[in-house]
Amino acid sequence: AQTVTQSQPEMSVQEAETVTLSCTYDTSENNYYLFWYKQPPSRQMILVIRQEAYKQQNATENRFSVNFQKAAKSFSLKISDSQLGDTAMYFCAFMKRGGNQFYFGTGTSLTVIP
Amino acid sequence: GAGVSQTPSNKVTEKGKYVELRCDPISGHTALYWYRQSLGQGPEFLIYFQGTGAADDSGLPNDRFFAVRPEGSVSTLKIQRTERGDSAVYLCASSQTGGEGETQYFGPGTRLLVL
Repeated sequence: AQTVTQSQPEMSVQEAETVTLSCTYDTSENNYYLFWYKQPPSRQMILVIRQEAYKQQNATENRFSVNFQKAAKSFSLKISDSQLGDTAMYFCAFMKRGGNQFYFGTGTSLTVIP
Repeated sequence: GAGVSQTPSNKVTEKGKYVELRCDPISGHTALYWYRQSLGQGPEFLIYFQGTGAADDSGLPNDRFFAVRPEGSVSTLKIQRTERGDSAVYLCASSQTGGEGETQYFGPGTRLLVL
C-alpha cells in the first residue's frame, strides 16, 4: 500500500517570501509519479507540478520547484516570491507506475500574508 | 466546455434517500475518475472509467455506491440509501487517455450533506 504524509497542517508566509511544504511517502515501488495539487476555496484541484521518479532532475514550473529525494522518499514543494493567490490547500499525491489512481496526503493549508 | 464540470454544486438529502451526482469531463478525454474528499482529508479514489467501462472500482466503499458512463463521456455517481457518513465532497477528474502518470484535471466537486 502507498501512504502519503504531509506533516504541516497549516503554514503561513509573507508575500514575496519563500516557503517550503513537506511531503513524505511510503512505497515499495521503484517507479512512480509524484504531484502537487493546489485546492483554493473554489474546491477545484489545480495541478502545480509533476515529477517522474526515474528522473533525477527536480521539476520546476515558474515560481514552483520541488526537492525530490528518492532515497529518503521525500518530495517537498518550494514556492518562491509568494503571492496572495497562492493561498490555498496544497496536496501531495503519489501514483504508481502502471496505476491510475492518486494517493493523496491530508494537505497543508497555506496562507500568504500581505 | 474548457474544464471538468460537476452538478449539482451542493446537494442536501435525508438519510436513506437516493442521490445522483453528475460529471462532465473535458471533451475528448477517455479516462474519468471519481474521488471522495471527507472534511480535513485528501481525496480518496473511488472508481476509474476507461471509455464506457469501469476499469477499476476498487475504491467504492460498498454496494450502495455505483457509477456509470454509458456513452463514454458524462458519468453519474449513484448512492443508494444514503448515510450520514456519506457526507463529503465528491470530486470528478478526467485525463486524456488514462495513460501512465497522466495529469488528471479535476472539477469543482459536489458537496453532499446527508442529514
